[in-house]
Amino acid sequence: TQLLEQSPQFLSIQEGENLTVYCNSSSVFSSLQWYRQEPGEGPVLLVTVVTGGEVKKLKRLTFQFGDARKDSSLHITAAQPGDTGLYLCAGPDSNYQLIWGAGTKLIIKP
Amino acid sequence: KAGVTQTPRYLIKTRGQQVTLSCSPISGHRSVSWYQQTPGQGLQFLFEYFSETQRNKGNFPGRFSGRQFSNSRSEMNVSTLELGDSALYLCASSLAVTGGFTGELFFGEGSRLTVL
Repeated sequence: TQLLEQSPQFLSIQEGENLTVYCNSSSVFSSLQWYRQEPGEGPVLLVTVVTGGEVKKLKRLTFQFGDARKDSSLHITAAQPGDTGLYLCAGPDSNYQLIWGAGTKLIIKP
Repeated sequence: KAGVTQTPRYLIKTRGQQVTLSCSPISGHRSVSWYQQTPGQGLQFLFEYFSETQRNKGNFPGRFSGRQFSNSRSEMNVSTLELGDSALYLCASSLAVTGGFTGELFFGEGSRLTVL
């Protein structure tokens, strides 16, 4: 069974700090996605990484896919209160259904 | 274009009752997936419908069922409600093609069910 483990589960930091959250598995994934979910909303796709070693940047957010395609990280530079939310990683299993990590709840304090 | 619409947004039921939730996908999207989200379990996959057929199913009891109509709108039903069914139920649509993972899921805002 493919599993995705996210760490940390919870992170609370001050505005302006940098942070990294992780998404790890013992299984290889053809791709991984990162979603952000804000309170009262459904998750929204931030990025899809498909190539081992790939790095994608979305403004202050940097996403990396591990060389072996078993893990991914999300780095936020100079975090802002608007970055607050639940960050979820997901990857497709052999039946093309998404497997989800439990998420990292991020709070950025002004 | 309009996003995924879920109704109702909030509902309260008592144990033993049943509930039907509705989801209208983005126009042109033929795949609709349902998820249960709880603080302790995260996002749990319920089932996926594509062109009115259930294509995949998660590990939930038979009390959880769904269907999809010819216009791609979908409903899910939970019968004989239990306290543990209290959760946010999310619907997601995608531009699925037959037999493949498509990429982006577009989620609705969810239906928050409370079972008393």
